[in-house]
Amino acid sequence: AQSVTQLDSHVSVSEGTPVLLRCNYSSSYSPSLFWYVQHPNKGLQLLLKYTSAATLVKGINGFEAEFKKSETSFHLTKPSAHMSDAAEYFCVVRHSGNTPLVFGKGTRLSVIA
Amino acid sequence: EAEVAQSPRYKITEKSQAVAFWCDPISGHATLYWYRQILGQGPELLVQFQDESVVDDSQLPKDRFSAERLKGVDSTLKIQPAELGDSAMYLCASSFPGQGTEAFFGQGTRLTVV
Repeated sequence: AQSVTQLDSHVSVSEGTPVLLRCNYSSSYSPSLFWYVQHPNKGLQLLLKYTSAATLVKGINGFEAEFKKSETSFHLTKPSAHMSDAAEYFCVVRHSGNTPLVFGKGTRLSVIA
Repeated sequence: EAEVAQSPRYKITEKSQAVAFWCDPISGHATLYWYRQILGQGPELLVQFQDESVVDDSQLPKDRFSAERLKGVDSTLKIQPAELGDSAMYLCASSFPGQGTEAFFGQGTRLTVV
């Protein structure tokens, strides 16, 4: 069975400091991995995705994630946090083919001025 | 920009009543999902369609929930009778088929059962 574990339920950073949101996955095959962001009262928006091409993936708003098969990780990073980054972030895995997206429980990012 | 449309945005219903949600996916997207998101948790799949066929409904409480996508385009999710524990955000998403394709989500329907 596939699953995804977000290691922190809440991360708090100061504006201008780096962001690290951690995600580990389990999958029997080579999965596709995604990060989505959810702002209050807004829909889920795709930040970036990994689909077996380059292991370092660049997304929107300065976010990046690195796929590390040996560590079964797909951590999300950003060099400098902005107030507008405060939101809920979800790590998502798709096992293979057209199987459903499986979501982690989410990490709430707070940015302090 | 094409969007997934959902209605209503908010719904308050009394327990034991019936409630229905509607979703119109992005044109051309053969795959349609219904997810349920309880406050403070990640979305959980209720049902997945490929065109008009159900691909996965293993987590759909079939005694009270039903979903259909009759012409392979828009979809309806129904709950009858609603229970207090059904209060949640119901999200619809659509995508092209394929492992690496992302899903596009609608704004959701916030259901409150009183």
